[in-house]
Amino acid sequence: EVELLESGGGSVQPGGSLRLSCAASGFTFSSYAMSWVRQAPGKGLEWVSTISGSGGDTYYADSVKGRFTISRDNSKNTLYLQMNSLRAEDTAIYYCPKGAYNSPYFFDHWGQGTLVTVSS
Amino acid sequence: DIQMTQSPSSLSASVGDRVTITCRASQGITNSLAWYQQKPGKAPKLLLYAASRLESGVPSRFSGSGSGTDYTLTISSLQPEDFATYYCQQSYSNPFTFGPGTKVDIK
Repeated sequence: EVELLESGGGSVQPGGSLRLSCAASGFTFSSYAMSWVRQAPGKGLEWVSTISGSGGDTYYADSVKGRFTISRDNSKNTLYLQMNSLRAEDTAIYYCPKGAYNSPYFFDHWGQGTLVTVSS
Repeated sequence: DIQMTQSPSSLSASVGDRVTITCRASQGITNSLAWYQQKPGKAPKLLLYAASRLESGVPSRFSGSGSGTDYTLTISSLQPEDFATYYCQQSYSNPFTFGPGTKVDIK
């Protein structure tokens, strides 16, 4: 059974940094692209970033480009999101969905998310 | 960037009703469309991909159709567990945008 467990969320001041982690199990982690998708309180879903199975290819939404870095450690079955220069508008639940077998860019399994709050 | 719109933004329906939600892309996405269901406080769940392919384990009352820029999600007979918010998402090009969602609630 696929399991995805996000962690690392919390409260941080504007301009601060946070690193999110996503521990994966139940599938061959290195074979699948992984992503981060966020949801601001009461709002819709926003794709944030995607990384290929090998980690060699990464993609970012314009809203986070240059501030966030996606990475993965396939030996630890773990995905990361390093978030720097955080802004109030980054406040959201962050999910780490798994890419589907036939496309990296839609998502067949999701974790329960971790909440990031950016506020002074 | 490809913009995704959905209509309606919300609807009220009764158990047993047939429900149709429309998703429109700002340019053609060659059936690279997924539909998700999200219940309050829960993560999204994949329902359909490639516009019309049902994800494993999803009830057959859910179906999808469309081509080019216009796509639909249909629930043939609404069940109590189907009251939720539904999102479309294009996987055709970066950024992989979601629609704004359609909330289905009880009439």
